[in-house]
Amino acid sequence: GDSVTQMEGPVTLSEEAFLTINCTYTATGYPSLFWYVQYPGEGLQLLLKATKADDKGSNKGFEATYRKETTSFHLEKGSVQVSDSAVYFCALNPRTGANSKLTFGKGITLSVRP
Amino acid sequence: NAGVTQTPKFQVLKTGQSMTLQCAQDMNHEYMSWYRQDPGMGLRLIHYSVGAGITDQGEVPNGYNVSRSTTEDFPLRLLSAAPSQTSVYFCASSYDLAGGRSGELFFGEGSRLTVL
Repeated sequence: GDSVTQMEGPVTLSEEAFLTINCTYTATGYPSLFWYVQYPGEGLQLLLKATKADDKGSNKGFEATYRKETTSFHLEKGSVQVSDSAVYFCALNPRTGANSKLTFGKGITLSVRP
Repeated sequence: NAGVTQTPKFQVLKTGQSMTLQCAQDMNHEYMSWYRQDPGMGLRLIHYSVGAGITDQGEVPNGYNVSRSTTEDFPLRLLSAAPSQTSVYFCASSYDLAGGRSGELFFGEGSRLTVL
């Protein structure tokens, strides 16, 4: 079945460090891929998305490129801030029909030190 | 802008008690869903609805009931709470059916439930 695998966490970085969070997926067909972020005490919110191979999603300095050849959608940011401390979820929608639903990874906690 | 509103934010129950988690959205979304979030498990879909009067089971439906009498409201009922239902519960809605084409789900702030 469809699945999303995220790297193990948690991740702790110093402010202004480079961030990479790995995400790989398994899906039939041509899924859409997403990154959601959950700030402390809040619900999840969409960070960025990509709907086809080689698309790059970007938002708030974060980027992720849909790589079909490696079935990956790694999240990157060149210089993290303390305010980026949150839980990050990779997700996919298999787009196999009208009722296809989002499948989430387990999430990874990022802590950024001043 | 209210978006998705969940109540209560915190609740403590004893084993065997019943309760309802409320969810309301003001975006006229057809699709609504309930997830539970547990450490190391990510988000798991409990129940979902693609419109008023229509509900279906997700990945972990046992022990939970839902109904959808209006577009705005999607309550989650625990009929006889068990310690295994201790979790954080999120309601989410989407413009597209099943959060499909756009993929964007709008989440509430969550309800933290503890069952003793």
